[in-house]
Amino acid sequence: KAGVTQTPRYLIKTRGQQVTLSCSPISGHRSVSWYQQTPGQGLQFLFEYFSETQRNKGNFPGRFSGRQFSNSRSEMNVSTLELGDSALYLCASSLVSGGADEQYFGPGTRLTVT
Amino acid sequence: KQEVTQIPAALSVPEGENLVLNCSFTDSAIYNLQWFRQDPGKGLTSLLLIQSSQREQTSGRLNASLDKSSGRSTLYIAASQPGDSATYLCAVMGAGNNRKLIWGLGTSLAVNP
Repeated sequence: KAGVTQTPRYLIKTRGQQVTLSCSPISGHRSVSWYQQTPGQGLQFLFEYFSETQRNKGNFPGRFSGRQFSNSRSEMNVSTLELGDSALYLCASSLVSGGADEQYFGPGTRLTVT
Repeated sequence: KQEVTQIPAALSVPEGENLVLNCSFTDSAIYNLQWFRQDPGKGLTSLLLIQSSQREQTSGRLNASLDKSSGRSTLYIAASQPGDSATYLCAVMGAGNNRKLIWGLGTSLAVNP
């Protein structure tokens, strides 16, 4: 079956703009988690959605938001972009919420803010 | 606050060697510990997931152990191959309501033919 897909794969934005990233989980998976990866901080948890509800949230400012649709696809939005938002954004899907089972990752969206 | 440390940061070995990657965490109240592999330009691949009640997990040439009391996990790779070259990441899932993965910075492994 198809893996986790993320669109777009690459994105260049200017400071102050906003951006929306999309993640389609593996068919049947209802949990989607988002992570930010930077060389200095490594991977950091942004949030998890399960059945259209945010179940858990990391320590990121309110400029970072997300949502999940009834088909389990998820979007992540970052408003008022800053240079420090440049990163690889990864999403992962799993069958259940709460980390009880394996997470499957997409290839990521590389965001560059200039 | 949970912190995850991986040692060494980088490792270069000749093909065929057995090797050990280390992961330590500061809070023993974990739900599970997971090892991932990351290849350049690709996402992460889950290698092994160890529940907090387990001591080890094995998959092929990979064996991961977990010692909660000492806050340590090791990933053992037997008979390394050039295809094992990648960054290996350790992540800890918190217990209770704190169900989020806390990540180490990874070990960059190069296996030379």
